[in-house]
Amino acid sequence: DAKTTQPNSMESNEEEPVHLPCNHSTISGTDYIHWYRQLPSQGPEYVIHGLTSNVNNRMASLAIAEDRKSSTLILHRATLRDAAVYYCIRPYNFNKFYFGSGTKLNVKP
Amino acid sequence: SAVISQKPSRDICQRGTSLTIQCQVDSQVTMMFWYRQQPGQSLTLIATANQGSEATYESGFVIDKFPISRPNLTFSTLTVSNMSPEDSSIYLCSVEVRGREQYFGPGTRLTVT
Repeated sequence: DAKTTQPNSMESNEEEPVHLPCNHSTISGTDYIHWYRQLPSQGPEYVIHGLTSNVNNRMASLAIAEDRKSSTLILHRATLRDAAVYYCIRPYNFNKFYFGSGTKLNVKP
Repeated sequence: SAVISQKPSRDICQRGTSLTIQCQVDSQVTMMFWYRQQPGQSLTLIATANQGSEATYESGFVIDKFPISRPNLTFSTLTVSNMSPEDSSIYLCSVEVRGREQYFGPGTRLTVT
C-alpha cells in the first residue's frame, strides 16, 4: 500500500514558514519520499525527495522522522506563488507514483 | 531536469471519436508515464511506456481504450479511443530523470461532448 496521509488544507501568512506534514507509516526501508506541488492549471512540479536524512534545496527542506513513518515539507518563507496543492508521494513498484488528494496550501497576503 | 511539451494543449471532441496526444521531451529518457486527472481530482497513473517494449497498464486501464506508442527515447503518444463524456480529463505525461525525479508536461485538457 503506497498511500500517504496528508491534511486536506492548510493556511499560511506570506513570508512566514510553512510546515506540511505527511504520514507514511507502512513505508519500507528503501522507499524514497517525494514531494511535488501543482499550481493551478499546471502539471505537477518536483519539489524535493529524500530517503533517511533531512534534505535541503533551493525550494524547500524535507525533514524525515527517524522511524521514517512521517515527514514534513518546510517552506521557509511562503510567498503567494507557493499557493498550490502539495503531494507527498511514496513510489510503488520502485518508480510508480500514487497521487493522493494532497494538501491545498493557501497563502494569505 | 527535462522540458516536456504536449500537443494539443486542449481539444473538444465528439463522443465516439479518438484523440491522439503527443508528448515530446528535450532529452533522451528511458521511462515515460501517462496520467489522467479528472475534474477536481488528483492524478491517476494510466500506464508506463518504455522505449522498445509494450506499455504497462495500471489496474482499470486497458490497451484497447488507451493505446500508447513509444517509438524513440524522446517521444510518446497516448490515444483516447471511442471517447465518452467520462473521458473528459486532463491527460499528462511525465518522464523519469536521474532514476528518481519525475518531470511533468503541461497537460492536455480534453472535453468530450
